Amino acid sequence: EAQVTQNPRYLITVTGKKLTVTCSQNMNHEYMSWYRQDPGLGLRQIYYSMNVEVTDKGDVPEGYKVSRKEKRNFPLILESPSPNQTSLYFCASSRTSRPTDTQYFGPGTRLTVL
Amino acid sequence: AQKITQTQPGMFVQEKEAVTLDCTYDTSDQSYGLFWYKQPSSGEMIFLIYQGSYDEQNATEGRYSLNFQKARKSANLVISASQLGDSAMYFCAMREGPEETSGSRLTFGEGTQLTVNP
Repeated sequence: EAQVTQNPRYLITVTGKKLTVTCSQNMNHEYMSWYRQDPGLGLRQIYYSMNVEVTDKGDVPEGYKVSRKEKRNFPLILESPSPNQTSLYFCASSRTSRPTDTQYFGPGTRLTVL
Repeated sequence: AQKITQTQPGMFVQEKEAVTLDCTYDTSDQSYGLFWYKQPSSGEMIFLIYQGSYDEQNATEGRYSLNFQKARKSANLVISASQLGDSAMYFCAMREGPEETSGSRLTFGEGTQLTVNP
């Protein structure tokens, strides 16, 4: 089944404790992206990747890191999480970055930083 | 200016009836994609339907159809024969080229909460 998977689905952590949210897709997509969704602010892009070893900042990259060593994986790293990073996080992928390509979303990761 | 506008924060429909969710967009790009996603209370973001800016026919996917009026810059979602399971938040989104937006991201509207009544 073609899908985007994320782990963990739920995470409660404390300020400053490094964490990684994994994202994997099995559709051989070139483009991958991370979004966060917050009440009143909607969905905002954090980082994106056009292909392996090609990553760039989105609209809200502060406090996050990413890497794209393999085509299928695009982990999101929070080196020192803070409470304002409490959010619902989505990984998404599409065949390419063309505007006519559909972005498919993972199931989401609900992160709480205490 | 908002790129995607959904003017209906909430909509109610009776089971088995059709409902239209409104979406208008703003872009100067010639090539763009318009998408609708469904977000149930469980939180996942489910892709429903897509319309390309050059597509002449309105998109359809099962009970979902997209009423695309390019000159008016509108892309309304029509759900026919509503079901209780259709109760969810619905987002209209647009994707422009990398030249227009950082990283060819999706730009989302604020969403419409649809409630289907039995």
